[in-house]
Amino acid sequence: GENVEQHPSTLSVQEGDSAVIKCTYSDSASNYFPWYKQELGKGPQLIIDIRSNVGEKKDQRIAVTLNKTAKHFSLHITETQPEDSAVYFCAASLGQAGTALIFGKGTTLSVSS
Amino acid sequence: SAVISQKPSRDICQRGTSLTIQCQVDSQVTMMFWYRQQPGQSLTLIATANQGSEATYESGFVIDKFPISRPNLTFSTLTVSNLSPEDSSIYLCSGAAGGTDTQYFGPGTRLTVL
Repeated sequence: GENVEQHPSTLSVQEGDSAVIKCTYSDSASNYFPWYKQELGKGPQLIIDIRSNVGEKKDQRIAVTLNKTAKHFSLHITETQPEDSAVYFCAASLGQAGTALIFGKGTTLSVSS
Repeated sequence: SAVISQKPSRDICQRGTSLTIQCQVDSQVTMMFWYRQQPGQSLTLIATANQGSEATYESGFVIDKFPISRPNLTFSTLTVSNLSPEDSSIYLCSGAAGGTDTQYFGPGTRLTVL
């Protein structure tokens, strides 16, 4: 089955810096890769996703890149702000309706002002 | 998108009892999923809840311990039975609206077993 590895487990940056979180997956059949942000005491919130027919996707300060050949994808946050502090999870799935997500172990991002 | 609510938001239960968690979606979803998130850990899939049929459980999770109901396309329940302290976790439901694969999560139910 699918296995998703996520690095780093913790990341501390200064406000305004960029943050990069990387994930690798094992199943070449996976073609849907969402990223979730989870704040303390809340459920995961979808922040961006990418499908295997796209190499990069941006949404304001957030971008995700995908390298299907190498089976890895990354989350990039630019101009970080204290409110970006949270746990970020990457996930992978077959990209079909009704298929479950396999999650990475999470990255705790701390942005200090 | 789909808006998902869960009840209760948290509970403290005694060993040996059961807790039923409700999950309500504001739109019809084909599949709903139940995840467990142990303290400081990632999300682990418990089961997939299908409307009109039995849930499909992941390895390590059994129906006797985690019975699931899915009476319609907007509602599901997860019961955690015969509670032990090891069941203390956050339980999350999710669903994908409109037949897509984009999953939205509820706020979670924080269970503490004494």
